[in-house]
Amino acid sequence: ETGVTQTPRHLVMGMTNKKSLKCEQHLGHNAMYWYKQSAKKPLELMFVYNFKEQTENNSVPSRFSPECPNISHLFLQLHTLQPEDSALYLCASSQDSRGSGGYTDTQYFGPGTRLTVL
Amino acid sequence: AQSVTQLGSHVSVSEGALVLLRCNYSSSVPPYLFWYVQYPNQGLQLLLKYTSAATLVKGINGFEAEFKKSETSFHLTKPSAHMSDAAEYFCAVSDPYNQGGKLIFGQGTELSVKP
Repeated sequence: ETGVTQTPRHLVMGMTNKKSLKCEQHLGHNAMYWYKQSAKKPLELMFVYNFKEQTENNSVPSRFSPECPNISHLFLQLHTLQPEDSALYLCASSQDSRGSGGYTDTQYFGPGTRLTVL
Repeated sequence: AQSVTQLGSHVSVSEGALVLLRCNYSSSVPPYLFWYVQYPNQGLQLLLKYTSAATLVKGINGFEAEFKKSETSFHLTKPSAHMSDAAEYFCAVSDPYNQGGKLIFGQGTELSVKP
């Protein structure tokens, strides 16, 4: 595998379910990101991890819970979601989010997980 | 605060015609600017980025963009459209002086290419 991979690619869940999204980067990067892409809206940054530490939580509801066990893997735990949470969830990685390049380091995106909440 | 406006949510061109996708930004400091492309069922891919060097930036797949400070614009162009260019294109801005500065994305422009 190369680049950034995400599983599953599609997920349908009820509002009472618990599920997890997985992201893995094979680029040797130190920073990983979760974005939400809703129809007709700009990409919304959700979380940033740098060297496994969370450095950004963009006022995301607690029903979304990220985990970063190592610099190559990032998870997003989903619990009691709402229908308006249906979206494409994109993971990205970059060399570093807090180095001299800051967020301007090129971010490499995975293909996303299409989430539908019923 | 920084912001990005992409003019036109949908642009349609004929194969071989000029592609022009418009992006205007708002920033209190000289920004870094990016264009990303998203093909169907894929993530975003960097096309090109401006980081305060040359104002005309060349990217992949024959695309280029010109940073015009006086117009606060960073429009994306390609001289001759190809069917494979059909995708959604996102302009983004970042504050290079703020290590907490995020990438702020525009709403995207969907490019259709007619045969």
